[in-house]
Amino acid sequence: DTAVSQTPKYLVTQMGNDKSIKCEQNLGHDTMYWYKQDSKKFLKIMFSYNNKELIINETVPNRFSPKSPDKAHLNLHINSLELGDSAVYFCASSQGDRANTEAFFGQGTRLTVV
Amino acid sequence: AQTVTQSQPEMSVQEAETVTLSCTYDTSENNYYLFWYKQPPSRQMILVIRQEAYKQQNATENRFSVNFQKAAKSFSLKISDSQLGDTAMYFCAFKGSARQLTFGSGTQLTVLP
Repeated sequence: DTAVSQTPKYLVTQMGNDKSIKCEQNLGHDTMYWYKQDSKKFLKIMFSYNNKELIINETVPNRFSPKSPDKAHLNLHINSLELGDSAVYFCASSQGDRANTEAFFGQGTRLTVV
Repeated sequence: AQTVTQSQPEMSVQEAETVTLSCTYDTSENNYYLFWYKQPPSRQMILVIRQEAYKQQNATENRFSVNFQKAAKSFSLKISDSQLGDTAMYFCAFKGSARQLTFGSGTQLTVLP
């Protein structure tokens, strides 16, 4: 049983396309996140949802839109993909968002925009 | 804003030896947590160890231990009896009142047979 699962694991697409990455967690957590890892392996928070409400929205182009249909899912939709969007995107979840809570990560989705 | 700095982009260690990875951070907060995450070639991010800023005792998890120096804002990871499976990218991370993980740039550790 995978705790945090993302689909797809790999995504290759052309510039200008719209794509979605799905994330599901079966841990019963109430907080979910999206992180972006760039080509230099640097990890940065993009979004955080707590009980389906957006609580963190870092400086991310509005082409990126997270959607949380329920507490167990946080999907990432990207419009008009650009070359610079190529990266590994990680979904994570935790029970609450306090400092002491452990975040559990999915296996990442490698997005390549050509 | 918090920053986390890992000054060693790459390190290597012989199997069974001990290695220490460095991490420094900058914050004005008093209550926070520090974490070390491991990212093997499989890409999965795995929590290795965590430390609460209020605890003076250094955290340990089997072969992994930390040296937490709050005044110096230093949080190093020591891996004892290194194993081939320890080969991975190691990330230091901070979490405080902003309630989000702030990561360092990572250290690629290679364990040599």
